Amino acid sequence: DIQMTQSPSSLSASVGDRVTITCRASQSFTTYLNWYQQRPGQAPKLLIYAVSSLQTGVPSRFSGSGSGTDFTLTISSLQPEDFATYYCQQSYSTPRTFGQGTRVEVK
Amino acid sequence: QVQLVQSGTEVKKPGASVKVSCKASGYTFTKYFLHWVRQAPGQGLEWMAIINPRDGSTTYAQKFQGRVTVTRDTSTSTVYMDLSSLRSEDTAMFYCAREPAEMDTYYFDYWGQGTLVTVSS
Repeated sequence: DIQMTQSPSSLSASVGDRVTITCRASQSFTTYLNWYQQRPGQAPKLLIYAVSSLQTGVPSRFSGSGSGTDFTLTISSLQPEDFATYYCQQSYSTPRTFGQGTRVEVK
Repeated sequence: QVQLVQSGTEVKKPGASVKVSCKASGYTFTKYFLHWVRQAPGQGLEWMAIINPRDGSTTYAQKFQGRVTVTRDTSTSTVYMDLSSLRSEDTAMFYCAREPAEMDTYYFDYWGQGTLVTVSS
């Protein structure tokens, strides 16, 4: 199974801050990396798929990058609605493993 | 519009089984895989299983092998997840999620609303 490791596990930030979350895979792959946002009490929501493709309706302040084993989610200017937990996921193989999550909290 | 509507909250005793449904609408049922994901209280997302609605083929996470069975009913566009031998550690929210089956990249673009299963004596 491919293990996905996110860092940090949590972070504190203010509205307007640039936020970066990293995800490291236990083996290398291309394109099969997705990011989800989960707000409390809600189902996860797809933000970015195939490393850097923005899902329809997702604000352009979200972006993704990376290749091989190291991937990044960036929020260019944090908005109040972005305080949530973020998960990376590999879809290169089954099981479709997730990172442990990064909680973005108000500073 | 695409919808995945799951069945309601369940309360079960240890050792019992639970069957959660996920009814799809707004798209061609057989063109998307359906996955099941578990989330224990305050914890992360844990992948459980995938079914191909076209032929009913399944793959399960090793952790749940022997306890989980996923089936589908193409006449009603519904997928079912049956989890047996429940224990308190199975208390969680269970989500279904769809994944395009005919593209060269894979992602969960729509999720059900979740079904809370509580296991308690």
